[in-house]
Amino acid sequence: DAGVIQSPRHEVTEMGQEVTLRCKPISGHNSLFWYRQTMMRGLELLIYFNNNVPIDDSGMPEDRFSAKMPNASFSTLKIQPSEPRDSAVYFCASRPAGTGPEKLFFGSGTQLSVL
Amino acid sequence: GNSVTQMEGPVTLSEEAFLTINCTYTATGYPSLFWYVQYPGEGLQLLLKATKADDKGSNKGFEATYRKETTSFHLEKGSVQVSDSAVYFCASNTNAGKSTFGDGTTLTVKP
Repeated sequence: DAGVIQSPRHEVTEMGQEVTLRCKPISGHNSLFWYRQTMMRGLELLIYFNNNVPIDDSGMPEDRFSAKMPNASFSTLKIQPSEPRDSAVYFCASRPAGTGPEKLFFGSGTQLSVL
Repeated sequence: GNSVTQMEGPVTLSEEAFLTINCTYTATGYPSLFWYVQYPGEGLQLLLKATKADDKGSNKGFEATYRKETTSFHLEKGSVQVSDSAVYFCASNTNAGKSTFGDGTTLTVKP
């Protein structure tokens, strides 16, 4: 199994541009999570999906952030417009529905830098 | 709601030193508790877990015991190696299936 695949690995963009981060969960995993990691705030859960449906988006910082999961094998996290304070590492993680963190697998993350 | 507080870093140790990274939790009920490790440039990986009071999780020489009386789950290793240098996250799992993570503690082990 290839694991959770995120792209791009690195993204550098200018303030005001739209940024789209992509995630392919492990096949058969029904739950997908988006996290943001910064030095100041640590690891924050932004949103998670069960069976492609957003369950809890209370961690999404503001309306500039949106996430979609059009099918079981693909999710996107979009920031529009981006701001320098969005610079962080964004992780996607997946696990089979009904399981706990012991079954949670993380991707390698997308390092986002907004100039 | 649930929360996890872990020892602030960074922590720098010499090889073969004893390691403790403190973690305490607050929760309604009795959550499962976890330690994750993040090596440079990688995502988090599960290191060990404990699902009920007095359980001890262990892996790769690391141990942590679920202490209900002190609401703690401290990570320990008797003799660290340079390869243990990483960021360590304590986490708890709620009944809703969400994981709450601590802020992470960066460990650097010097030869």
